[in-house]
Amino acid sequence: EIVLTQSPGTLSLSPGERATLSCRASQSFSSSYLAWYQQKPGQAPRLLIYGASSRATGIPDRFSGSGSGTDFTLTISRLEPEDFAVYYCQQYGSSPPYTFGQGTKLEIK
Amino acid sequence: QVQLQESGPGLVKPSGTLSLTCVVSGGSISSTNWWTWVRQPPGKGLEWIGEIHHSGSTNYNPSLKSRVTMSVDKWKNQFSLKLSSVTAADTAVYYCARQYYDSSVLIDDWGQGTLVTVSS
Repeated sequence: EIVLTQSPGTLSLSPGERATLSCRASQSFSSSYLAWYQQKPGQAPRLLIYGASSRATGIPDRFSGSGSGTDFTLTISRLEPEDFAVYYCQQYGSSPPYTFGQGTKLEIK
Repeated sequence: QVQLQESGPGLVKPSGTLSLTCVVSGGSISSTNWWTWVRQPPGKGLEWIGEIHHSGSTNYNPSLKSRVTMSVDKWKNQFSLKLSSVTAADTAVYYCARQYYDSSVLIDDWGQGTLVTVSS
């Protein structure tokens, strides 16, 4: 089972700033199967990034993903008020179980 | 547009069995290979429970495997989750979902989630 560890646990930033979220895997796997989700209170998760770097349909280009092997990053270039939420990485589609990271809470500073 | 809707009891007694159904509307359950269950305890992160193929094959999270059973009913266009021997630790919002590729673009759909509380 691949364990995903996200850091930091909480990130405090202001609108307009750049956010960098990390997801580290316990073993290497194909970047084709790394996704990032955004979740707001009371809502289901929303797919942002798949294949480590491809934006999902309708996702603004201020969201970008990168990485390979065991280290992956989600970057939000310029934070908008609606971006403050919890973000999860997930490995999917290759070898189940398709684990999630524990999440990074992005809060307004 | 496919929509997913979870249904089932919101309260289950300890040591009992949690049973949930996800009704698929707007499309055939056979149109997507794998259908997924994910849960989220209050205030905590997401946990992948497992997935079921429309043919009935399954993959379960090893941490829950001994207690989980998933099934699919093509006639009713729905799939189901059973979790036995529940404890308070199984209290969570349970989501059904699917992921699929459409012309190399990953698409996912989620139900709204249903809260199941384990309590006497």
